[in-house]
Amino acid sequence: GENVEQHPSTLSVQEGDSAVIKCTYSDSASNYFPWYKQELGKRPQLIIDIRSNVGEKKDQRIAVTLNKTAKHFSLHITETQPEDSAVYFCAETDSWGKLQFGAGTQVVVTP
Amino acid sequence: DADVTQTPRNRITKTGKRIMLECSQTKGHDRMYWYRQDPGLGLRLIYYSFDVKDINKGEISDGYSVSRQAQAKFSLSLESAIPNQTALYFCATSDGQLPGELFFGEGSRLTVL
Repeated sequence: GENVEQHPSTLSVQEGDSAVIKCTYSDSASNYFPWYKQELGKRPQLIIDIRSNVGEKKDQRIAVTLNKTAKHFSLHITETQPEDSAVYFCAETDSWGKLQFGAGTQVVVTP
Repeated sequence: DADVTQTPRNRITKTGKRIMLECSQTKGHDRMYWYRQDPGLGLRLIYYSFDVKDINKGEISDGYSVSRQAQAKFSLSLESAIPNQTALYFCATSDGQLPGELFFGEGSRLTVL
């Protein structure tokens, strides 16, 4: 989606290292920022989300941070494992509540 | 388990043919969506429907049409398929909460020769 920029497009990490994916958005009214994971040949599934009244949210090895002033949010994966290999999409809601997705990041975790 | 089901899962067709992709859901959600996925472009919204009587265009609706036959069914049609409509198509649903989680179907891979 043109309103959400996602970087990098590909990310290769060594197993056990951390991975960080960054997204920027343009709509200052956006208030919900989900992250979806799509494993090879599978459907996208929500892994974590954050709302605008929160700066950080953590769920086991994944965390998301939000900087509303700078209009960017990031996904952090710690202690990466082979099963973390997938395409990750960030998204933000527009004023109608529809999701605008980033272009995706292909994460490859090498043993 | 409540789910979102798409048919067909794979389809190869020729330029100019009419194609329909069907989506049905047992989640009881009011909101349904059709997305298109292309490598490097993410998921782009084609059409969405917030209830049976509501149909709205997304960012890439040209060349597509939809029908919301019932709360549980939302079909996407390509009236005259062209090669650049070759893509992976996903149906998704969400409940009435704004904003809310999207639940995707397994996808329909369409190839237009």
